[in-house]
Amino acid sequence: GIQVEQSPPDLILQEGANSTLRCNFSDSVNNLQWFHQNPWGQLINLFYIPSGTKQNGRLSATTVATERYSLLYISSSQTTDSGVYFCASGTYKYIFGTGTRLKVLA
Amino acid sequence: DGGITQSPKYLFRKEGQNVTLSCEQNLNHDAMYWYRQDPGQGLRLIYYSQIVNDFQKGDIAEGYSVSREKKESFPLTVTSAQKNPTAFYLCASSIGQHSNQPQHFGDGTRLSIL
Repeated sequence: GIQVEQSPPDLILQEGANSTLRCNFSDSVNNLQWFHQNPWGQLINLFYIPSGTKQNGRLSATTVATERYSLLYISSSQTTDSGVYFCASGTYKYIFGTGTRLKVLA
Repeated sequence: DGGITQSPKYLFRKEGQNVTLSCEQNLNHDAMYWYRQDPGQGLRLIYYSQIVNDFQKGDIAEGYSVSREKKESFPLTVTSAQKNPTAFYLCASSIGQHSNQPQHFGDGTRLSIL
């Protein structure tokens, strides 16, 4: 089955800094989502992005399906961005990466 | 509001006891999923159902059972055969297997052993 690798595993930023999170996939991408898991465990859907680029406020994402990777950009980070970011892909059953744990310092 | 409701938020299980986690959706989605998350890990698929009265095992189905008698409901039973049930359980739904559509998640149930 598909393998999903996320990098970096951990990231500490000063408030206001920018960052890029990456997902690599071992097989072709059908569905692809980015999620933010907050400290209460809620999984918040950030982007559904099997290909192309999308932006939502300070967040944007790009998926290059032919090269089997996706990037999540966070600009002007805020303390509320802290948490774990997951990417997931699959046709009808998702495989999740192990996540990037982000801590934004005030 | 349309969404996915999981209950209870917290659940405690005694040794040898079966417990059932509830998942209800009013999104009119055909497909539903159960995932397990262990501390510091990603989510792993337990079971999924693409249509009423049909479901398939995911990657870690041993010790779990499900039913899909209604489109809006997909309860998960953690049986006594599951020797390490302490985890965070998340339910999700999507429009259907034949559409490339996103999955929507509930807020989860935390299960602990007494």
